[in-house]
Amino acid sequence: AQKITQTQPGMFVQEKEAVTLDCTYDTSDPSYGLFWYKQPSSGEMIFLIYQGSYDQQNATEGRYSLNFQKARKSANLVISASQLGDSAMYFCAMREAGANSKLTFGKGITLSVRP
Amino acid sequence: ETGVTQTPRHLVMGMTNKKSLKCEQHLGHNAMYWYKQSAKKPLELMFVYSLEERVENNSVPSRFSPECPNSSHLFLHLHTLQPEDSALYLCASSQIEDSFTDTQYFGPGTRLTVL
Repeated sequence: AQKITQTQPGMFVQEKEAVTLDCTYDTSDPSYGLFWYKQPSSGEMIFLIYQGSYDQQNATEGRYSLNFQKARKSANLVISASQLGDSAMYFCAMREAGANSKLTFGKGITLSVRP
Repeated sequence: ETGVTQTPRHLVMGMTNKKSLKCEQHLGHNAMYWYKQSAKKPLELMFVYSLEERVENNSVPSRFSPECPNSSHLFLHLHTLQPEDSALYLCASSQIEDSFTDTQYFGPGTRLTVL
């Protein structure tokens, strides 16, 4: 079964508006971490934000926030005040507890910011 | 240099060539990773080194040979590759502390083309 699901096709947003990128996950482990990465066309995978399964509050990092709904197993990324430089692929990933646990990535979502 | 660096950024090689990819992390981390990213596929974990010992070999063909001489350097030696090995190869590092919170930081990747 797929552990990370990102089903949105290419997303478009107008510059300066907010956008939500969806991510659902599947795990039976009560301890896990959720990550979002940005990959511009240059290829580098840039870490954006982290949410732990026991965190009581939604994570925020500047213009990025994570809408964490544990019961629904969703961890959507919200980008506020979109900028042209936000155009990229965005990947959701999860790591369960345990030293040998792998970081599992979703297939990614393409975001295009329109001027 | 800061973060994770990779060289070369681009590589074109024939099927009979031997080449090596290099990764260096300047973050003081104790684990390093090789990932393969092919078009329209999720990121695939290839190898994991923790404290300079290989702890994961994700069913990777023997034509890919990793080497981790110390905690800061990671190599991927390539020989007799196939055209389907053409992909973006990403290196990452993290500080593993037996939890799910460690964040992997990625290098810019090497775009490999096998002719």
